Amino acid sequence: AQKVTQTQTSISVMEKTTVTMDCVYETQDSSYFLFWYKQTASGEIVFLIRQDSYKKENATVGHYSLNFQKPKSSIGLIITATQIEDSAVYFCAMREDTNAYKVIFGKGTHLHVLP
Amino acid sequence: DMKVTQMPRYLIKRMGENVLLECGQDMSHETMYWYRQDPGLGLQLIYISYDVDSNSEGDIPKGYRVSRKKREHFSLILDSAKTNQTSVYFCASSLEQGNTEVFFGKGTRLTVV
Repeated sequence: AQKVTQTQTSISVMEKTTVTMDCVYETQDSSYFLFWYKQTASGEIVFLIRQDSYKKENATVGHYSLNFQKPKSSIGLIITATQIEDSAVYFCAMREDTNAYKVIFGKGTHLHVLP
Repeated sequence: DMKVTQMPRYLIKRMGENVLLECGQDMSHETMYWYRQDPGLGLQLIYISYDVDSNSEGDIPKGYRVSRKKREHFSLILDSAKTNQTSVYFCASSLEQGNTEVFFGKGTRLTVV
């Protein structure tokens, strides 16, 4: 069964610090893709970063990076030097190669960046 | 321009009325989705469309139906809306390959009174 779990419902951090948001997934596929999305206060949902299961290197885009631990089925999102505008809900998601149509989302983590 | 457009953005309907939510995309994506979002429940998949006239139920299809007559357009229909269908509805689209991201519309906030 495919499943994506985000156990942290809410996190608060001080501005300019580093935060890690956790995500674990379940899949039977040997090839899959892991994504993080951000939902801003206006409700808009945008794609941030992707990790391919067959790649050992952690993906990095701007001040977002991933901590991919395949043996633990874990894909953490790391935001360095957080800014107030990083305050949002972050969703982890997975697509499997054999059933790529279905996108499985976690329930999200609400990040509050405090001044 | 790579966007998903939803209309309307806000809608108030009376219980029992029919509701039509429209969605368009300009990326020629084969796959389109309808989700609803409720506090604490994340994004719940209502329907998925693989292409024109090729639709499949998602996790919570009861009370909804969809129509896709053109690749760029995907509609969600609520026949006889119920108060528990008050929610924010998101349309999304993607290429069929698994290594591609999903693009979301800005959402429609539907209130059924």
